Amino acid sequence: GQQLNQSPQSMFIQEGEDVSMNCTSSSIFNTWLWYKQDPGEGPVLLIALYKAGELTSNGRLTAQFGITRKDSFLNISASIPSDVGIYFCAGRGAQKLVFGQGTRLTINP
Amino acid sequence: NAGVTQTPKFQVLKTGQSMTLQCAQDMNHEYMSWYRQDPGMGLRLIHYSVGAGITDQGEVPNGYNVSRSTTEDFPLRLLSAAPSQTSVYFCASRRGQGGNGYTFGSGTRLTVV
Repeated sequence: GQQLNQSPQSMFIQEGEDVSMNCTSSSIFNTWLWYKQDPGEGPVLLIALYKAGELTSNGRLTAQFGITRKDSFLNISASIPSDVGIYFCAGRGAQKLVFGQGTRLTINP
Repeated sequence: NAGVTQTPKFQVLKTGQSMTLQCAQDMNHEYMSWYRQDPGMGLRLIHYSVGAGITDQGEVPNGYNVSRSTTEDFPLRLLSAAPSQTSVYFCASRRGQGGNGYTFGSGTRLTVV
């Protein structure tokens, strides 16, 4: 089946630092999505990317859809305590959504 | 607008028991899916549906059945629970044409002993 490799698996940073995580795939996707999951909750959509090369921002979050359509990255600038959680990339083909393993972000105040 | 509602939130089963995890959405979404989440493995697709009366298998379908008799509901059945099915289960839905990412429910934490 399709595989997404997300890295890093975990990050421990200081409040105010910038964060970068990425996702690579062996398959081409039509859409890349980035989700955040808080403890005890389902994932919530942060950013959706629809076109190769697309760069999209949502507040302090910026994500890009790779030119090859096989990768994507997410940056978070000036991290704050509420950014703590697990971040998932997801690639969408015709009907199915495939998820990466997640990046667990921990922030030291 | 309730979004995607999953029940129950928590469940403990004995090996061999059967049960149904309920999922309902009130957004008139065509696509619905079931995922399981295990530590270090992200979310893996169990079954999905692109509309009422249509279902298909995902990545890890064994031991699970689904049906989609209405647009709103997409129940997941465990026929004979096994400890390997201990997991957190998420239901999700999205619009068909032009839909963005899936909207997720808050999950069902299942323990099989």
